Amino acid sequence: GNSVTQMEGPVTLSEEAFLTINCTYTATGYPSLFWYVQYPGEGLQLLLKATKADDKGSNKGFEATYRKETTSFHLEKGSVQVSDSAVYFCALSETGGTSYGKLTFGQGTILTVHP
Amino acid sequence: GAVVSQHPSRVICKSGTSVKIECRSLDFQATTMFWYRQFPKQSLMLMATSNEGSKATYEQGVEKDKFLINHASLTLSTLTVTSAHPEDSSFYICSALQGSLYSNQPQHFGDGTRLSIL
Repeated sequence: GNSVTQMEGPVTLSEEAFLTINCTYTATGYPSLFWYVQYPGEGLQLLLKATKADDKGSNKGFEATYRKETTSFHLEKGSVQVSDSAVYFCALSETGGTSYGKLTFGQGTILTVHP
Repeated sequence: GAVVSQHPSRVICKSGTSVKIECRSLDFQATTMFWYRQFPKQSLMLMATSNEGSKATYEQGVEKDKFLINHASLTLSTLTVTSAHPEDSSFYICSALQGSLYSNQPQHFGDGTRLSIL
């Protein structure tokens, strides 16, 4: 079956530091890949997505590139802010078979940014 | 755009009570909605796929008689936790798919419902 593995957290950074959150996946087909962000007490917000190999998703200074050869979708940001503190989820959506459209989530990575 | 509203945001009730949670897509039609459950500091687990005009599809291990899902219109799905017990306490999150299941569009999430059963 499909699975998503994220780097274990929590991750604690100082403001303006560089962020990387690793994400690798296993899938039977050719999934679409997503990063979602969850702020305390809220639902998930789509941060960025990529639908095919070598696509780069980007939003609000965050980037992630769909790497089929390494089955990875690492999240990066060059300079984090306190307001980026949240839980980040990597997810995949299968694009074939009986699981079409269903999201499989990683375990989430807690990011805390200090001033 | 693509706003999903979930109501209520928090429910506290006695054991044995049935609780209904609503999920609405405010500015788009959603043939397919999803219901997730999230335990503290854990990831989201898909409970069921809600299909407008047809029966929901439940994931393995989810009791369909316990978690009743109704998707009567293209903008509303409801999850009813029947005869809730303390072990049903959790954070429930819905999402709505903009476009068809095969359109490769992202899911849009509600803000979740914190259910606490005393």
